[in-house]
Amino acid sequence: DSGVTQTPKHLITATGQRVTLRCSPRSGDLSVYWYQQSLDQGLQFLIQYYNGEERAKGNILERFSAQQFPDLHSELNLSSLELGDSALYFCASSVETPYTDTQYFGPGTRLTVL
Amino acid sequence: AQSVSQHNHHVILSEAASLELGCNYSYGGTVNLFWYVQYPGQHLQLLLKYFSGDPLVKGIKGFEAEFIKSKFSFNLRKPSVQWSDTAEYFCAVGLEEAGSYQLTFGKGTKLSVIP
Repeated sequence: DSGVTQTPKHLITATGQRVTLRCSPRSGDLSVYWYQQSLDQGLQFLIQYYNGEERAKGNILERFSAQQFPDLHSELNLSSLELGDSALYFCASSVETPYTDTQYFGPGTRLTVL
Repeated sequence: AQSVSQHNHHVILSEAASLELGCNYSYGGTVNLFWYVQYPGQHLQLLLKYFSGDPLVKGIKGFEAEFIKSKFSFNLRKPSVQWSDTAEYFCAVGLEEAGSYQLTFGKGTKLSVIP
């Protein structure tokens, strides 16, 4: 158990819908990262928040957005869902963002878009 | 842009065989290197990491990896695999660019260990 929690574990929805994925980082971790894992693209970095502020953006679509709240939990919002958005979404956390930091991953949310 | 290559998509070994999984990266500067493992149906777990110092790093469950800077490689090894090592293994490279720190993952190598 990494100490990172994600809810829900599974999510099934229809195309065009909007969903929210939630992540609680390890106690004391200020940084939260979101990743998408799919069969064809592998594991891809989406976005990072540090202490409530967006720190870095990766391959995140404009239909997706995220935020980190004062209690440091984070939410990833996916809208206008398409079939291709079906994937495993992981959250990771780390203490901060120094050069030598280590990310610890949560169990993931499996999103199925029908 | 940074890229990470894992040479083998799927490796099949018998129990007690030795394992070596290749990982090469493209960035020429200072990097942090990681191996993560994902057991079937589970999340990624950190196996080992290299930040600096001894290029031979030892991780959990008998795994080790060697950083060879001249070859831009960070290969994962285990002298004798067990059935419970069946999983997918991901190499990742971390570096700081423009004030942010990002991990780039390889595509992963599936390891199947036959009893």
